[in-house]
Formats: sequence, C-alpha cells, structure tokens
Amino acid sequence: DSGVTQTPKHLITATGQRVTLRCSPRSGDLSVYWYQQSLDQGLQFLIQYYNGEERAKGNILERFSAQQFPDLHSELNLSSLELGDSALYFCASSVGLGRTNTEAFFGQGTRLTVV
Amino acid sequence: ELKVEQNPLFLSMQEGKNYTIYCNYSTTSDRLYWYRQDPGKSLESLFVLLSNGAVKQEGRLMASLDTKARLSTLHITAAVHDLSATYFCAVDGDTDKLIFGTGTRLQVFP
Repeated sequence: DSGVTQTPKHLITATGQRVTLRCSPRSGDLSVYWYQQSLDQGLQFLIQYYNGEERAKGNILERFSAQQFPDLHSELNLSSLELGDSALYFCASSVGLGRTNTEAFFGQGTRLTVV
Repeated sequence: ELKVEQNPLFLSMQEGKNYTIYCNYSTTSDRLYWYRQDPGKSLESLFVLLSNGAVKQEGRLMASLDTKARLSTLHITAAVHDLSATYFCAVDGDTDKLIFGTGTRLQVFP
C-alpha cells in the first residue's frame, strides 16, 4: 500500500457527462500529480499541485480541471466527457519541491469508462 | 520539452536469461526512477537513482544511471516468470514532475 488513496476505483458514465476523481496523498506529502494512462497514449502527465497551488501543467485538456484543497487532498474534474477520455487515471504524491528525492508514490487509480 | 524513450517496447524472454532495458532522456537531469506495473494495477517504485554513476540492485534487477550520456539501464539477471510486468523509467522534469518513458512490457516464459 503506497499510502495514496484514490476514489472511486471504477467509474462508468455517458458521453457529455461530468465526473470528479478524488485523491488523498500520503501523510506529509505536499505535491500531488495527476496522470492519465491509456493504451495509445501511454502514461501522460496532466497536472501538478504543490501545497494548494498549481505547479505545472502537462497535456491536460481544457475540459479537465483540478484543484488541491487546504487539507492537501486533490480532485480532478472531467467534463463534457468523450469516448476517448476512457482511461486509467492515477494520482501520485511526493514530499515536495526542492528536495533531492522527488520519488512519487502512486494510488491504485480510477478506471474511467465513457460509454 | 523533456522526452523519455525506452527500448525495447516489448521483450519476450526465456526464464534464466539476461537482458537489459534502456532508458534515454533528452535534457539534463540527475534524478531518474524505475517503476513496475502489473496489468491493470498501480505503479510500484523499484529504484531511485539520484546521481551520476548510481547503481542500485534488488534481487534479479539492477539499475544504473549515466547522466552524461542521459541513459539509464535496467538489467535483468536470470529472469523468472514473476518478473513479467511493464517497466517504466521516469525522469524528473524542471518542476519536479515525472515524465515517463513509453514502458517496456516484459514477458518471461519457461
């Protein structure tokens, strides 16, 4: 168990809908990352938060947004869902910035299926 | 933009054999990580390499880092079926975000 908790584990929804994925980082970790894993795109970095602030953006669509709350948990919001958004979404956390070791620990992922 | 490439993408090997997975990256970084992923599961951290010349070993796996060549290797010794999984390398980008390689799917057969 990595200590990173993601809910829900599975989500099935229809095209056009909106969903929220939730992540609780390891105790003491300030950085949270979101990744999307699909068969054709591999493991893609979406966005990073550090201590409540957006730190870096990757290949995140405008239909997607995220935030990190004061208690450091994070949510990834996906809207106007399309079939191509079906993927495994991972959250990861690490101790933070400016450290020598930024090893990230991954949650179990949320499998999103858009039908 | 940091790019991370792994090869081979797919590796089918017989039990008892040795092989090496390569990870090349495009910009300077002193921090490289190897992860393992079983099908449909999460990513498990295997090795953390934080300096040029770093070498780490765990069981039949050994990872090394050459920052000058921007190359890391994951060497498998005397493969066993339990090592079948997908292996990813990841490089620390400029904001401490990890950029992952394409992954190497390893299949070990008797």
